[in-house]
Amino acid sequence: NAGVTQTPKFRVLKTGQSMTLLCAQDMNHEYMYWYRQDPGMGLRLIHYSVGEGTTAKGEVPDGYNVSRLKKQNFLLGLESAAPSQTSVYFCASSQTGYDGYTFGSGTRLTVV
Amino acid sequence: KQEVTQIPAALSVPEGENLVLNCSFTDSAIYNLQWFRQDPGKGLTSLLLIQSSQREQTSGRLNASLDKSSGRSTLYIAASQPGDSATYLCAVQGRSQFYFGTGTSLTVIP
Repeated sequence: NAGVTQTPKFRVLKTGQSMTLLCAQDMNHEYMYWYRQDPGMGLRLIHYSVGEGTTAKGEVPDGYNVSRLKKQNFLLGLESAAPSQTSVYFCASSQTGYDGYTFGSGTRLTVV
Repeated sequence: KQEVTQIPAALSVPEGENLVLNCSFTDSAIYNLQWFRQDPGKGLTSLLLIQSSQREQTSGRLNASLDKSSGRSTLYIAASQPGDSATYLCAVQGRSQFYFGTGTSLTVIP
């Protein structure tokens, strides 16, 4: 049972490039989330999904887009990467939204 | 907006000592509270989840308490070990998301 899997684990992008981060969960969870973690700021919610085909904005959504075409996958896209998007990105999932989170191991993204 | 504060930001203790990590939050209307552990360069591992109707949860050497009315939670670690060295994060669940503190970095000295 893999839980929540994030790919890739590391990535370096040049300013203006685009990329997609993949989050996959095998627990049949309804809710999925994308957070970013920056030093001294804690984890901040980017976007989330309450079920297949749904997405919603979190606290810091600008510069990111998401899609949830399949229940088990939640994709985070950066259309035109900026140095301010250098961060560690975490995906999490939850069955009911109120039963606690299961986290992936993170993606460390550097934008130069 | 919910604000979550963890004090102290860093803590260093000798092996075997009992210790308490503190978490405070500004809005008492929470659904639950979860404590996580994060090792350097790694993801978050769930330690304990306390539902809003509960006062405490225990797992092995860990005990977490919740006082919603005062906006406080504590994580008690008994008989600390070097393997407990990590950053401990507190998160409170609001309407649509968890709000995280910035963590307490714990070092247990052998």
